[in-house]
Amino acid sequence: NAGVTQTPKFQVLKTGQSMTLQCAQDMNHNSMYWYRQDPGMGLRLIYYSASEGTTDKGEVPNGYNVSRLNKREFSLRLESAAPSQTSVYFCASRGSYSDTGELFFGEGSRLTVL
Amino acid sequence: QQQVKQSPQSLIVQKGGISIINCAYENTAFDYFPWYQQFPGKGPALLIAIRPDVSEKKEGRFTISFNKSAKQFSLHIMDSQPGDSATYFCAAISGRNTGFQKLVFGTGTRLLVSP
Repeated sequence: NAGVTQTPKFQVLKTGQSMTLQCAQDMNHNSMYWYRQDPGMGLRLIYYSASEGTTDKGEVPNGYNVSRLNKREFSLRLESAAPSQTSVYFCASRGSYSDTGELFFGEGSRLTVL
Repeated sequence: QQQVKQSPQSLIVQKGGISIINCAYENTAFDYFPWYQQFPGKGPALLIAIRPDVSEKKEGRFTISFNKSAKQFSLHIMDSQPGDSATYFCAAISGRNTGFQKLVFGTGTRLLVSP
């Protein structure tokens, strides 16, 4: 059982380039999330998907787009990368009506924008 | 605006000591309070969580204390070990018993337990 898998683990981009971060989960979870982690800022929600076919903006959505391709996969796209998007990105998932409120996180994707 | 305020930002504790991390919130709609532990190069993982109708929850060396009237909760790590060195995030959840939850994280505390 892989849990939540993110690719790539590392990426360096130049300002203005585009890229897509991929995320897949094998736990049959309905809800999926994208967070970014920056020093002193904690984990901030970028976008989330409550179920297949739906997506919603989180706290810091500007400069990003998402696609919930199917129940397993939730991708995050940077259309025109900026240095302010240098961060570590985490994908997470959660089952419906989880009594513990537990999110399962991937290992992160470290993105540097020059 | 930071919905969950966490302190301190960093903490150094000697092996065997008690580590204490504090969090405060404003939104009374929050109905569940988990703590996540993150080791370098890894994603956060659920450590322990508490409901607001409980004042304390203990799991091994980890204890959450919850003060509903003050809207504060804290994590205590007893007999801290070097293997506890990690970043700890408090969090608050709203809509726990619905089909979708919103989870808000604190800014994190980097704990270093010295041998």
